[in-house]
Amino acid sequence: DTGVSQDPRHKITKRGQNVTFRCDPISEHNRLYWYRQTLGQGPEFLTYFQNEAQLEKSRLLSDRFSAERPKGSFSTLEIQRTEQGDSAMYLCASSLAPTSPLHFGNGTRLTVT
Amino acid sequence: DQQVKQNSPSLSVQEGRISILNCDYTNSMFDYFLWYKKYPAEGPTFLISISSIKDKNEDGRFTVFLNKSAKHLSLHIVPSQPGDSAVYFCAASDGGKLTFGQGTILTVHP
Repeated sequence: DTGVSQDPRHKITKRGQNVTFRCDPISEHNRLYWYRQTLGQGPEFLTYFQNEAQLEKSRLLSDRFSAERPKGSFSTLEIQRTEQGDSAMYLCASSLAPTSPLHFGNGTRLTVT
Repeated sequence: DQQVKQNSPSLSVQEGRISILNCDYTNSMFDYFLWYKKYPAEGPTFLISISSIKDKNEDGRFTVFLNKSAKHLSLHIVPSQPGDSAVYFCAASDGGKLTFGQGTILTVHP
C-alpha cells in the first residue's frame, strides 16, 4: 500500500495562469475525491469519481475548475485563469466503498500571486 | 450552512489525562461518522469511525461515542500523549462523501 500520491506538493502561480494537479489513488480504490482546505477550516468537498464517472460536483466548483479521471485510475484537477481566492491546499482522497474511510494524500498547496 | 460543527477551536490537556473532543451535526441523512488527525503539511489521517447503528466504537486509546438523538459525537483519548498533539477533524458521511467540521487543535503537555 503506497498510499495516495499527489503532485506537485507546492505550486506558485501568477493570477490568470492555468494550473493542473495530479492524484494517484490507492490502486484498488475505485472512489476518488477532491477536497479544498483553507487556513482554519476543515476540508471542503469539491467533486468525486466512481471509477471514471464523475458523480457529483460541489457548487464551490466554478466553471474554471475541471476534473478528470481517465480509465478510472489517476485523476487531474485543472484550474483555469487562477484567482487569488483559489489559494488553498488541494487534497485528494480515495476509498474502497461508500462505507470505507477516505485515505488522503498530503495535498498540493497552491499559492496564486 | 455548517452541517458539521466543532465548537471548540482548541483544547489543552496534561499528558496522561483524558482528552474529549466534541462534534455536532444537523443532517439526519449522515450514516457514518469518522475522526481524522492532521499534522501540519500532511493530509488528514483516518483515526476511527462509527456507523449510525452503533453508539460506541473503541480502538486502543481512542473511543468514539455517538448520540443520534442529540446529533452529537465525541472522541475520547485516554491516556493522552504528547504525540497526540495535532488538529482533529470530525467528519460525517452521506453515501461516502464526507462533510468536515472546522477542526479542534489538541495540545497535550508533558
